[in-house]
Amino acid sequence: QQKVQQSPESLTVSEGAMASLNCTFSDRSSDNFRWYRQHSGKGLEVLVSIFSDGEKEEGSFTAHLNRASLHVFLHIREPQPSDSALYLCAVSPGGSNAKLTFGKGTKLSVKS
Amino acid sequence: GGIITQTPKFLIGQEGQKLTLKCQQNFNHDTMYWYRQDSGKGLRLIYYSITENDLQKGDLSEGYDASREKKSSFSLTVTSAQKNEMAVFLCASSILGGDQDTQYFGPGTRLLVL
Repeated sequence: QQKVQQSPESLTVSEGAMASLNCTFSDRSSDNFRWYRQHSGKGLEVLVSIFSDGEKEEGSFTAHLNRASLHVFLHIREPQPSDSALYLCAVSPGGSNAKLTFGKGTKLSVKS
Repeated sequence: GGIITQTPKFLIGQEGQKLTLKCQQNFNHDTMYWYRQDSGKGLRLIYYSITENDLQKGDLSEGYDASREKKSSFSLTVTSAQKNEMAVFLCASSILGGDQDTQYFGPGTRLLVL
């Protein structure tokens, strides 16, 4: 069964400093990866989706997928205090979106 | 664009009570989902539905019923609330449910059982 782990559990960065979040998955045949953000008391907001090895940029968010090493990273360029939230990694095998497996999340705090 | 609405926002129940949560979407998406989010755990899929009147079990379906009354709405019933249970229930929808279709989420219903 797919296992998705995120690190660190929590991260504090200064405003404007790059933030890097890590997601490790167990099934090398996975081909569908998403990063979501959840502000406190709110629903999930999709940030970036990536389906092949390499990088995908959406605004200030860049996902980097390396399937061989079973890692997908999220880099946040020049984070603002409004980016403080829980960041969730979601992974699914090909064929069925319903089989998304989520990590527990990284809680990011951005200090001004 | 579209929006997913979940009602109620907060739900306080008693042990053993049957509780119903509702979700509406105006994306005109075919597939809808119910997830449970517990503190310190990832989201877990309870039920999903690929079209009106369809129902598929997720990993956490025991203790729940669901109903897809029409394309735009999907409801979830907690059949017997457990004492001290506290969780957030999130509804989501996607165009078809294929592997490259993004799931969009509602704001959640926060459940507390006394």
